Amino acid sequence: EAQVTQNPRYLITVTGKKLTVTCSQNMNHEYMSWYRQDPGLGLRQIYYSMNVEVTDKGDVPEGYKVSRKEKRNFPLILESPSPNQTSLYFCASSRSTYYEQYFGPGTRLTVT
Amino acid sequence: AQSVSQHNHHVILSEAASLELGCNYSYGGTVNLFWYVQYPGQHLQLLLKYFSGDPLVKGIKGFEAEFIKSKFSFNLRKPSVQWSDTAEYFCAVNAGNAGNMLTFGGGTRLMVKP
Repeated sequence: EAQVTQNPRYLITVTGKKLTVTCSQNMNHEYMSWYRQDPGLGLRQIYYSMNVEVTDKGDVPEGYKVSRKEKRNFPLILESPSPNQTSLYFCASSRSTYYEQYFGPGTRLTVT
Repeated sequence: AQSVSQHNHHVILSEAASLELGCNYSYGGTVNLFWYVQYPGQHLQLLLKYFSGDPLVKGIKGFEAEFIKSKFSFNLRKPSVQWSDTAEYFCAVNAGNAGNMLTFGGGTRLMVKP
């Protein structure tokens, strides 16, 4: 089954404690991206990647890091999380921005 | 930078009513336009997309959207909504000068009363 998986689905952590949210896709897609969803603000793109070792900033990259060492994986790293990063995070993949984005189930992150 | 506005944040309709959700974007050049839907507890799914050609685009579940370049708009329409259309709807734009960045609007939460 074609899918995008994210782990964990729910995470509560404290300010400053480094965390990683994993994202994996099994569709051999080249394009992957991370979004955060906040009420009234819709989805805002954090980072995207056009292929292995190729990443670029989206609208709201501050406080986040990503890496793309393998085509199927695109982890999101918060080196020092802060409460304003409490949000719902989605990973997505597609053949390119011209094609449908396939979204993961979301990761709800709370930073206290 | 590209931006997308969805002016209706919350819409409540009765079944069989007609629906039109507004979407306006800021970029004047070539754009790729999308509407996504998020049903309660589910992933975002693509409803329809426009890249070029006929400005009236038909999508899944009876939805359609019209690209009006002069108005920088891509409004979503459905002639007769059903209770199952209750969801949050997002317009998204990839502008020609934004590389591979995709910008979403703030979303419109639609509730259809049975």
